[in-house]
Amino acid sequence: KAGVTQTPRYLIKTRGQQVTLSCSPISGHRSVSWYQQTPGQGLQFLFEYFSETQRNKGNFPGRFSGRQFSNSRSEMNVSTLELGDSALYLCASSSTPLTGPPYEQYFGPGTRLTVT
Amino acid sequence: TQLLEQSPQFLSIQEGENLTVYCNSSSVFSSLQWYRQEPGEGPVLLVTVVTGGEVKKLKRLTFQFGDARKDSSLHITAAQPGDTGLYLCAGASYQKVTFGIGTKLQVIP
Repeated sequence: KAGVTQTPRYLIKTRGQQVTLSCSPISGHRSVSWYQQTPGQGLQFLFEYFSETQRNKGNFPGRFSGRQFSNSRSEMNVSTLELGDSALYLCASSSTPLTGPPYEQYFGPGTRLTVT
Repeated sequence: TQLLEQSPQFLSIQEGENLTVYCNSSSVFSSLQWYRQEPGEGPVLLVTVVTGGEVKKLKRLTFQFGDARKDSSLHITAAQPGDTGLYLCAGASYQKVTFGIGTKLQVIP
């Protein structure tokens, strides 16, 4: 089975711009979660989508949004980029909702976003 | 806010030594997971523990979930250079998953 894929792998944007990141989950997985990883804060949960519905959301401003398509692929959008948005953005897929058994997530390689 | 504290944050040891990494919280979790992440890659799931007091072994790695399901430990026996990486614990509860900041392990040949 192919793993979780994320595109693009690297991205450089300027403050004020917006960006869209894409995630394709493992075939058959219906849950996709997004995380932001920075050296100082570690992995921070952004949101989870299951069957095209957002199930829960972390403590991030409204500039961060996402959606999931009928084929389970997901996109994350960040508008009005700030320098502090520079981070590794990871998506993870699961066959079941995130906080239910078997409690397994499979991560993609991430998108490294640099905001200048 | 649920917090997961990991200790130590950095660890540099010689090949063949043993080590233990800790993951502590004041909150109860329905499950706890351990991941290993290497530079430029996403975290890879190592194990999930669900029952208080549960012990799981994965070759030279031993994982334990505390009786009260608030803490966990990862013990590595006879560490090898291939064990080098960032070890993350993650607790699931109330429809959220909380990650610790990680333990960066370096095993020197």
